[in-house]
Amino acid sequence: ETGVTQTPRHLVMGMTNKKSLKCEQHLGHNAMYWYKQSAKKPLELMFVYSLEERVENNSVPSRFSPECPNSSHLFLHLHTLQPEDSALYLCASSLHGTSNYGYTFGSGTRLTVV
Amino acid sequence: DAKTTQPNSMESNEEEPVHLPCNHSTISGTDYIHWYRQLPSQGPEYVIHGLTSNVNNRMASLAIAEDRKSSTLILHRATLRDAAVYYCILSGARGGATNKLIFGTGTLLAVQP
Repeated sequence: ETGVTQTPRHLVMGMTNKKSLKCEQHLGHNAMYWYKQSAKKPLELMFVYSLEERVENNSVPSRFSPECPNSSHLFLHLHTLQPEDSALYLCASSLHGTSNYGYTFGSGTRLTVV
Repeated sequence: DAKTTQPNSMESNEEEPVHLPCNHSTISGTDYIHWYRQLPSQGPEYVIHGLTSNVNNRMASLAIAEDRKSSTLILHRATLRDAAVYYCILSGARGGATNKLIFGTGTLLAVQP
């Protein structure tokens, strides 16, 4: 257990479904991130939230919609996904405004779109 | 974001030291050097980070070149559980902006018994 909890661990969804991924941390961090890791590819940074505000959206399609209701929780809402969106989705948290601090990652949600 | 270069893969024998190199010739003065590793089917795990001086912790040591254009992650005695992808990442939060970690392809370390 890393201190960053992601649920569910595995998710299979159809292209017309709507689902949400959840991330929770109680490490006192105030920045949270969503990454996507497709097979044989590096991790791609999707969204950055700092102090509960979205500060970065790296050209992610609108079928992915993040939400950060407070500094401990982060959601990724999914709708009308495509099979190529199948990947490992990773959440991470850290402290805002300093490079002298590491990220803590969750174990990820393995998403399969059928 | 400043770029790092790592070998695609390395092999080691169990209980021997491992030196994982990383080149970062365009590093800026405020960039920290971070190392993470990712075991199969898991999220990345923080290993160590430093700015200018060499650093040691319970997992590894980080040796930073005097000109900071390269660094080496040292695992003192490799175990089978150290088999993972190791990422060297430069991170600099400027002007109070949120720190970002941009991952490359890393080095796949295989450990032979």
